[in-house]
Amino acid sequence: GDSVTQMEGPVTLSEEAFLTINCTYTATGYPSLFWYVQYPGEGLQLLLKATKADDKGSNKGFEATYRKETTSFHLEKGSVQVSDSAVYFCALTPNSGNTPLVFGKGTRLSVIA
Amino acid sequence: GAVVSQHPSRVICKSGTSVKIECRSLDFQATTMFWYRQFPKQSLMLMATSNEGSKATYEQGVEKDKFLINHASLTLSTLTVTSAHPEDSSFYICSARDMDREGFGAGTRLSVL
Repeated sequence: GDSVTQMEGPVTLSEEAFLTINCTYTATGYPSLFWYVQYPGEGLQLLLKATKADDKGSNKGFEATYRKETTSFHLEKGSVQVSDSAVYFCALTPNSGNTPLVFGKGTRLSVIA
Repeated sequence: GAVVSQHPSRVICKSGTSVKIECRSLDFQATTMFWYRQFPKQSLMLMATSNEGSKATYEQGVEKDKFLINHASLTLSTLTVTSAHPEDSSFYICSARDMDREGFGAGTRLSVL
C-alpha cells in the first residue's frame, strides 16, 4: 500500500539556520503530496501541498518540490525562527477515490534562540 | 478555505462515562469525514471514515461499538467514546473533506480518570 517515510527527529536548530526535513513516498499512480504542521497542543494545519510532478509548494518561507523521479517531497526553509518549533508531517493522498491521507510519523523541530 | 471546528478542545471525564466529540465543517460541505487518534509523540492513526448518510468504515482493530460515529449531515460528524476507560485517553483529531479541499479540526484531548 501507499506509505510515507520521513526523517526521524527530533531536529534541533539554532535560529536562522537552514532546515531540511526529508520525505519520500511509495504510491501507485500520481498522489498529491502535503506537509502539515502541528504546534504544541493543537491540531494539524496545512502548510503546503503539490498535486503533480515538479510542482513546488510554498508557504511562510517553507518550500517543497514534488520529485517524481526520486519519489521525494523534502521540506526546506532558508532561515528558521523559534516560532517554527512544531511537529511536521509529510502526507499523501491518491488523486482518485475518497481515501484518507497517509501520514509519515512526523518530525519534531525545535528552534533555539 | 476549509475551516473545521472541533469541540470540545479538552475534556476530562470519569471512567465509565461517555464523551461526545463534534466535528463541523464551517465553510464547505464535507462529503467525507475522518477520525484520527494520536498517541504522544506519534503520528495520526486513522480510526474510521464516515460518509454522510451512511455507516462509518472502521479501521482494523478499532471497536465500532466503543467509538460510535455519526455523520448525520454534510457539515457535522460526531465521535462518541462510550464507557470510556483510562486507556482511551488520547488526542482525537477529525478532518473534513469535499471534492478538492480538506481541513482538520484543532483536536480534542480526552483524559479519562
